[in-house]
Amino acid sequence: QSVLTQPPSASGTPGQRVTISCSGSSSNIGSNTVHWYQQLPGTAPKLLIYNNNQRPSGVPDRFSGSKSGTSASLAISGLQSEDEADYYCAGWDDSLNGVVFGGGTKLTVL
Amino acid sequence: EVQLMESGGGLVQPGGSLRLSCAASGFTFSSFGMGWVRQAPGKGLEWVSSISSSSSTIYYADSLKGRFTISRDNVKKSLYLQMNSLRAEDTAVYYCARKIGGYSGYDGWGQGTLVTVSS
Repeated sequence: QSVLTQPPSASGTPGQRVTISCSGSSSNIGSNTVHWYQQLPGTAPKLLIYNNNQRPSGVPDRFSGSKSGTSASLAISGLQSEDEADYYCAGWDDSLNGVVFGGGTKLTVL
Repeated sequence: EVQLMESGGGLVQPGGSLRLSCAASGFTFSSFGMGWVRQAPGKGLEWVSSISSSSSTIYYADSLKGRFTISRDNVKKSLYLQMNSLRAEDTAVYYCARKIGGYSGYDGWGQGTLVTVSS
């Protein structure tokens, strides 16, 4: 049972916009920044979004993040086949004094 | 370019110990916090531990306290994870990761090293 809650799966067709939600509490998302990672099959995770909505250099602007209260969202517009991957939200938890991850969302491009 | 290379994984019996290493290059290692994240087969990511650039601040996941020890050597540009009293549920790929300055996220990851705990 993950501290941050994500839907286990999401899907979309090429060109569509999809969103992935991440729900937490006042001790994590509610008081700290959220980061998003993309993990392509068989590879290490890659930072996609940090500080709620910042993109590292090289990440396409098709990826965007937002946060409101104790929830966060990752949006992917202009969906492409290469976006098929697992996506994880994460952040610091003040009560646990550690980093917490969501359970991950498997994105399928139909 | 951030490069992180883990080593030291392998097969170990329950109750045994293992020491993972992570060699860093491509950035000023002594200026960044670092961490370990693991992933059990077919499962999600689980944070293990983090250490500040000067080793002054260390955190562990509650479930691992007392069994795992994180450390670093800034001269050797290396991060370590000493794992004791290993259990079957510690079986996972262990990733070394570079912490984003000022935030809890990780912006650089190694390829991972597999630890299998089994008799």
